Amino acid sequence: DSGVTQTPKHLITATGQRVTLRCSPRSGDLSVYWYQQSLDQGLQFLIQYYNGEERAKGNILERFSAQQFPDLHSELNLSSLELGDSALYFCASSPRTNTYEQYFGPGTRLTVT
Amino acid sequence: GENVEQHPSTLSVQEGDSAVIKCTYSDSASNYFPWYKQELGKRPQLIIDIRSNVGEKKDQRIAVTLNKTAKHFSLHITETQPEDSAVYFCAASKTSYDKVIFGPGTSLSVIP
Repeated sequence: DSGVTQTPKHLITATGQRVTLRCSPRSGDLSVYWYQQSLDQGLQFLIQYYNGEERAKGNILERFSAQQFPDLHSELNLSSLELGDSALYFCASSPRTNTYEQYFGPGTRLTVT
Repeated sequence: GENVEQHPSTLSVQEGDSAVIKCTYSDSASNYFPWYKQELGKRPQLIIDIRSNVGEKKDQRIAVTLNKTAKHFSLHITETQPEDSAVYFCAASKTSYDKVIFGPGTSLSVIP
């Protein structure tokens, strides 16, 4: 157990809908990262937050957005869902500055039907 | 843009043999290179990492080498065991503030 929690574990929804994925980082970790992993694919970096502020952005679609709250938990919002958005979404956290290691959560499996 | 390539995409070895996975990166400013192992249906977990001021690092049966000039880094697993079977991802990052770019992964199968 990495100490990073993600909810829900599984999510099934229809095309066109909107969902929110939640991530709680390890206690004391200030950075949160979101990744998308499609079937048989690698880890695609979506976005990073550090202490509430957006720090880095990857190939995140405009239909997707995220935020990190004052208590450091983060939410990833996916809207106008398409079949191709079906994937495993991982959240990871890392400690304070100058520390690179990321601890991954168990992931949320999103299925869009 | 930034890119990390990884080879091979699949690798099968006999138990007890060595396995080598190679990665190249495009951004010469990268200075942190982690390796993650992802077992089927589980989260990626860091197994070893190396920073640009070090050429080689070893942890029991696992070692990583880095050639900054050539922008190559490699993972070496010796005396492989069936529990080493997993997908391995290499990655590169510039600083702890930057995004981490992952390679596409190598599926390693260790045959008993």
